Amino acid sequence: AQSVAQPEDQVNVAEGNPLTVKCTYSVSGNPYLFWYVQYPNRGLQFLLKYITGDNLVKGSYGFEAEFNKSQTSFHLKKPSALVSDSALYFCAVRDNGIDNDMRFGAGTRLTVKP
Amino acid sequence: NAGVTQTPKFQVLKTGQSMTLQCAQDMNHEYMSWYRQDPGMGLRLIHYSVGAGITDQGEVPNGYNVSRSTTEDFPLRLLSAAPSQTSVYFCASSYKGGTGPNEQFFGPGTRLTVL
Repeated sequence: AQSVAQPEDQVNVAEGNPLTVKCTYSVSGNPYLFWYVQYPNRGLQFLLKYITGDNLVKGSYGFEAEFNKSQTSFHLKKPSALVSDSALYFCAVRDNGIDNDMRFGAGTRLTVKP
Repeated sequence: NAGVTQTPKFQVLKTGQSMTLQCAQDMNHEYMSWYRQDPGMGLRLIHYSVGAGITDQGEVPNGYNVSRSTTEDFPLRLLSAAPSQTSVYFCASSYKGGTGPNEQFFGPGTRLTVL
């Protein structure tokens, strides 16, 4: 079965600095990879996805993610963090052979300090 | 469009009680899913549906039933509530089509406490 791991429970960065939130995955076929963000007391919101094509995927709010097949990773990045980026971030994966069966990581709490 | 709506927002049950969590979407999405969110465990898939009349089990289906009689609605039933089912429940929908899976739209969640 497919799975994802987010090795860091918490990431702290200073405003204006680059940020990285890590994700590694495991699938039997080709992966479909997603990043979502959750603000307090809200549902998840879609940020970006990798299906095929360019390894660098650009998404909402200035976020981007790099797909690395050899390292089975899909790290989320942003060149300059904002205090408003502070939230809970989830990586998710779906195996291309299993319809609608999405698996999420445990989440990484990002805190951006002024 | 209202998007994905869930009712109730909060619910307290006693052990052994049953209830239904409602989920509806007005985007004509084929796919719908139920997740539970627990601290440190992320979201875990309970049940999902790829269209009206079609449902399947996810990662943690025990103690839950679903049905999909219409495209719009996907209720989740707790048959006999247990304290282990205390969690935040999210419903999500997505559309079918394109070159791969599409992003999911999430409801605001239902916070359930079982005493």
